[in-house]
Amino acid sequence: EVQLVESGGGLVQPGGSLRLSCAASGFTFSRYEMNWVRQAPGKGLEWVLYISSSGSTIYYADSVKGRFTFSRDNAKNSLFMQMNSLRGEDTAVYYCAREATGYFDLWGRGTLVTVSS
Amino acid sequence: DIQMTQSPSSVSASVGDRVTITCRASQDISSWLAWYQQKPGKAPKLLIFGASSLQSGAPSRFSGSGSGTDFTLTISSLQPEDFATYYCQQANTFPRTFGQGTKVEIK
Repeated sequence: EVQLVESGGGLVQPGGSLRLSCAASGFTFSRYEMNWVRQAPGKGLEWVLYISSSGSTIYYADSVKGRFTFSRDNAKNSLFMQMNSLRGEDTAVYYCAREATGYFDLWGRGTLVTVSS
Repeated sequence: DIQMTQSPSSVSASVGDRVTITCRASQDISSWLAWYQQKPGKAPKLLIFGASSLQSGAPSRFSGSGSGTDFTLTISSLQPEDFATYYCQQANTFPRTFGQGTKVEIK
């Protein structure tokens, strides 16, 4: 089955860190560009990060630049996002999404990150 | 950054109605536009890409049009399973940006 499965979400205090993972299956992961998109409770969609198929090119939203880092392991069909210096406004469901020429054609179910003391 | 503005924010419609949602980009994005459907508690699903191309598996009652800065998503005959929130997204440049969403509700 073609799917993406996120993990690693949870409750973290402001200023803390969290590492999210996304496991891909059912397709040739190494051929695809990947992204993270987040959605705060009751709000719209916000693009967060992009990584090229090789991992050599990464783009960040200004809201996370300098705090979040992004990597992938094509041998393990996995994507990782290290989130540091977390803030209340980072509270959201985080989706990993496969990209097809700029469009997100496959999404995971998401993982909830809650930043609160 | 390219701002994407959808209208209306919400629309009440009945089964069988024709529904139109518009999306305006703050600058020319050619045809680099997608539409997504999201139901509560679920991930978004790609409906339309390239402004007017129907994603595989998406029902043919969904159609998209437009280019440049003005785009439209049309549902030709609203079905019960279409009640959801719809988002446009530009793929012309980084950062990728979404519209604020349009909620299609039961009248």
